[in-house]
Amino acid sequence: NAGVTQTPKFRVLKTGQSMTLLCAQDMNHEYMYWYRQDPGMGLRLIHYSVGEGTTAKGEVPDGYNVSRLKKQNFLLGLESAAPSQTSVYFCASRDRSYEQYFGPGTRLTVT
Amino acid sequence: QQQVKQSPQSLIVQKGGISIINCAYENTAFDYFPWYQQFPGKGPALLIAIRPDVSEKKEGRFTISFNKSAKQFSLHIMDSQPGDSATYFCAAHVGTGGFKTIFGAGTRLFVKA
Repeated sequence: NAGVTQTPKFRVLKTGQSMTLLCAQDMNHEYMYWYRQDPGMGLRLIHYSVGEGTTAKGEVPDGYNVSRLKKQNFLLGLESAAPSQTSVYFCASRDRSYEQYFGPGTRLTVT
Repeated sequence: QQQVKQSPQSLIVQKGGISIINCAYENTAFDYFPWYQQFPGKGPALLIAIRPDVSEKKEGRFTISFNKSAKQFSLHIMDSQPGDSATYFCAAHVGTGGFKTIFGAGTRLFVKA
């Protein structure tokens, strides 16, 4: 099992550009999450999904959109990137237990 | 209140010493309190977790102490080793009706050899 994988690992964007981050899990988990991690602020929830075809807003959803068309994939989109979105993005998934399994992260820089 | 407050921000401990990280919460609906460990360049991974119906849980050198009345919980790392150097996050899972885990800001632990 690969667990949770994220694509890409690194990306540099110019302000105003768009991009999509892909998260894939092979554990048949229902729940999936997108977090951003910034120094001194821990992990903040952007959006989450409780099942295929469903999404919901987390703590910091502005400027991001998500889709969960397939159970194993959770996509995070930035329509018009801003420097404030420079961060490390983590995807996570879990089953009915509360343990979350995290991916390796995507380091995004917006210039 | 959904916050989980974690302290200290950073911690330096001698090899063999005890590392202690503290967390506090407000929301009594939290029903699961995990600690995650993160090494540089990696995603967080579950280290140990506790439910509010027990006051202590021990797994090897790692112990969670839980004080429900004070709404506080802490991680103790006994016989700290250089390999324990990492960032530690406490967290709390929202109970009934919620699907979210709220994370503390993290503690960077450095264990000196």
